[in-house]
Amino acid sequence: QVQLQQSGPGLVKPSQTLSLTCGVSGDSISHNGVAWNWMRQSPSRGLEWLGWTYYTSRWYNEYAESVKGRITINPDTPKNQFSLQLNSVTPEDTAVYYCCRGSYRTFDYWGQGTLVTVSS
Amino acid sequence: DIRMTQSPSSVSASVGDRVTITCRASQGISNWLAWYQQKPGKAPKLLIRAVSSLQSGVPSRFSGSGSGTDFTLTISSLQPEDVATYFCQQANSFPQVTFGQGTRLEIK
Repeated sequence: QVQLQQSGPGLVKPSQTLSLTCGVSGDSISHNGVAWNWMRQSPSRGLEWLGWTYYTSRWYNEYAESVKGRITINPDTPKNQFSLQLNSVTPEDTAVYYCCRGSYRTFDYWGQGTLVTVSS
Repeated sequence: DIRMTQSPSSVSASVGDRVTITCRASQGISNWLAWYQQKPGKAPKLLIRAVSSLQSGVPSRFSGSGSGTDFTLTISSLQPEDVATYFCQQANSFPQVTFGQGTRLEIK
């Protein structure tokens, strides 16, 4: 059974960097054909895909236009986890953040979610 | 971006009722349509992919249909544990996916 476990702070100050980690068990993040994603959900923006990292001969990343330039998703193969960094946050980045596994263009396993509040 | 519009935004029905939720895409998305169920305080759960393919373990009372721009999620006989918010997701422009705004389902 695939499980994703999120960790990271729930409060970030404006202009600082949001950092979250997603540990994976029951699958390898180097699994060909599977993507490891970050999403967020807020009342104002709904469910929003932020980006992914995936391995096929080498590591690839792709990011949503809405956060491109501020976001980095990094794999950590030895620890079988991946991370999210979102720079220069504002209160508009306040949301519940989820990591999830992508397969066949859908998202079949999700982390438990982390409410991140951007506030001074 | 492809916009996904769900209707209704909320629905109340009795146990045993047939419930239908609609999702319309702003342009054709072939069969790249999925449905998720989200219970309060929990992550979304994948129910259906590729319009009508039920995920393993999902009760057979759930079904999906549609093509092009118009899609439907049907619960054939509503059960108390189906109380949740349901989202559609288009994957035609994968990985730039988009979700509907959600339909809240309650029991009368």
